[in-house]
Amino acid sequence: QSALTQPPSASGSPGQSVTISCTGTSSDVGGYNYVSWYQQHPGKAPKLMIYEVSKRPSGVPDRFSGSKSVNTASLTVSGLQAEDEADYYCSSYAGISYVFGTGTKVTVL
Amino acid sequence: QVQLVQSGAEVKKPGASVKVSCKASGYTFTNYAMHWVRQAPGQRLEWMGWVNTGNGNTKFSQKFQGRISITSDTSASTGYMELSSLRSEDTAVYYCAIAAAAGSGFDYWGQGTLVTVSS
Repeated sequence: QSALTQPPSASGSPGQSVTISCTGTSSDVGGYNYVSWYQQHPGKAPKLMIYEVSKRPSGVPDRFSGSKSVNTASLTVSGLQAEDEADYYCSSYAGISYVFGTGTKVTVL
Repeated sequence: QVQLVQSGAEVKKPGASVKVSCKASGYTFTNYAMHWVRQAPGQRLEWMGWVNTGNGNTKFSQKFQGRISITSDTSASTGYMELSSLRSEDTAVYYCAIAAAAGSGFDYWGQGTLVTVSS
């Protein structure tokens, strides 16, 4: 199972929005509404930010939103804040397995 | 509150095996599947496999087939991941994570266990 493709980096100034893409295939992203997004700060465990394409777990700010079109999912962070600077990974269910994305480092300028 | 507490760091020689534990608390153990994910230094997350804590059934990434075992002990609310025939490329932080349903996101994560493979 090949990794999902994400841009290596993205950036924005405080208050701006940033969108991260996650491209897979019809066997993973395009085949299921089971895309999730994780935020990981250096040296920390990942944290679930979005599940099932666009649902937010309790406690995650509504600045974080997710969507999907065919084989590409997207995570948008609106109203960027300093604490949003982190690595972000997408993940997709692929039938009997899961696959993660290559990861995107988000920098708040 | 939900907690997943993993065993401590390990140093292993090439060819050896390692077993990492993940003790759960704060929820009904059998209500969540337990997954294992690893992250090599500076690299992306990599899904390894999962166990249905209700019936013990397992699924593994093809990459690890034949040298991985994932088990769970409901009486101890603890999951285990054992990886054999270790090589230097297996040096990574290993995480346990739980998910409420197949396909759902990994809701909670352990703190990670660093496994170093070195001669």
